[in-house]
Amino acid sequence: DTGVSQDPRHKITKRGQNVTFRCDPISEHNRLYWYRQTLGQGPEFLTYFQNEAQLEKSRLLSDRFSAERPKGSFSTLEIQRTEQGDSAMYLCASSLWRDSGRAFFEQFFGPGTRLTVL
Amino acid sequence: AQKITQTQPGMFVQEKEAVTLDCTYDTSDQSYGLFWYKQPSSGEMIFLIYQGSYDEQNATEGRYSLNFQKARKSANLVISASQLGDSAMYFCAMRARSQGNLIFGKGTKLSVKP
Repeated sequence: DTGVSQDPRHKITKRGQNVTFRCDPISEHNRLYWYRQTLGQGPEFLTYFQNEAQLEKSRLLSDRFSAERPKGSFSTLEIQRTEQGDSAMYLCASSLWRDSGRAFFEQFFGPGTRLTVL
Repeated sequence: AQKITQTQPGMFVQEKEAVTLDCTYDTSDQSYGLFWYKQPSSGEMIFLIYQGSYDEQNATEGRYSLNFQKARKSANLVISASQLGDSAMYFCAMRARSQGNLIFGKGTKLSVKP
């Protein structure tokens, strides 16, 4: 399977615990995105990387959230001191980006990690 | 600010008929891309179709077509010959050239009746 993969698919944790999610993008994609989706809403942007550089972070990404993409391949999203409001589906997506030619490339999404904070 | 509006929370369509899902957008960028995604109950977001703001022709992908009206800032998705497997949430999204991320609407839940 050459699509975007995420691990774990489900995570149940107690309030105050730290959690870490992993995303493996499509291999030739240089951009990687994290989104959060709550029930009945569309995905909301959290952050994105181009290769290993984190280019943008949303205001939704509080100080308790940190994301890395150390070698420009897989990425991790860590949430420290989880709160019940962090319960959501965390989606990872990847895409190509080029400096010239076609301006926009579709983002391909992984299956998501569903986080439940008790 | 960029914004996507989907005004239909839910839609019903009879199997084999066509259905249009509405999407309007707001952006001050001249260059942008519009996307539609399908999200079945399994949760995965599936890319359906893309339209660039400078594309002169409406995009088509199999049974999906995008009715792009730039002056009205609308990008409606048309699904022809609906199938039971089309029942899902459908999200309209936009990426402006000045931004890296997609902005999504709240979605439309499509139910196909046999």
